[in-house]
Amino acid sequence: DGGITQSPKYLFRKEGQNVTLSCEQNLNHDAMYWYRQDPGQGLRLIYYSQIVNDFQKGDIAEGYSVSREKKESFPLTVTSAQKNPTAFYLCASRHRDLDEKLFFGSGTQLSVL
Amino acid sequence: GQNIDQPTEMTATEGAIVQINCTYQTSGFNGLFWYQQHAGEAPTFLSYNVLDGLEEKGRFSSFLSRSKGYSYLLLKELQMKDSASYLCAVRGDYKLSFGAGTTVTVRA
Repeated sequence: DGGITQSPKYLFRKEGQNVTLSCEQNLNHDAMYWYRQDPGQGLRLIYYSQIVNDFQKGDIAEGYSVSREKKESFPLTVTSAQKNPTAFYLCASRHRDLDEKLFFGSGTQLSVL
Repeated sequence: GQNIDQPTEMTATEGAIVQINCTYQTSGFNGLFWYQQHAGEAPTFLSYNVLDGLEEKGRFSSFLSRSKGYSYLLLKELQMKDSASYLCAVRGDYKLSFGAGTTVTVRA
């Protein structure tokens, strides 16, 4: 079955540590996105990529980094510069030309120890 | 800027109807989406409106008025499994913006 897989489901970060969230899709989608979800707030865009080897900052990119070396994969690194990383992180993808709607992964809950 | 407003919470009885309103002010308009999200899970697509009017899909309907910057999601014949958060999202000129979501609780 086609879909988007995020791992791990739960992740804990220690002070000063970088952590990487995985996002893999086998939908052959061109565009991939990372959102952060906090209680009582809408999803906020961190980074997005329209094509392999290219990505752009979203609204809250500070303290995060991404790469897009393969079409299927769009990992997100939460660096130590992100001072408030506790949140639910959602990865999404869409076929840029055929479909407007986003397909979401099941999310990663990141917490600080 | 982008501004999308929807109520925080709504409660309804099993078998009843609930209407979730969404008002928006965005730079440009290229479509409005509704997603359903159960706690700790992925949002799933419900509907997409780009033209004015009502789109019906089974128990769920979505309405759009572009001139009023207004949409609603109508959930009919509510079931317990409909208890979830409902997200309104608008595609403007440059990006997709989400509202904070409306938590719907269905009671027996």
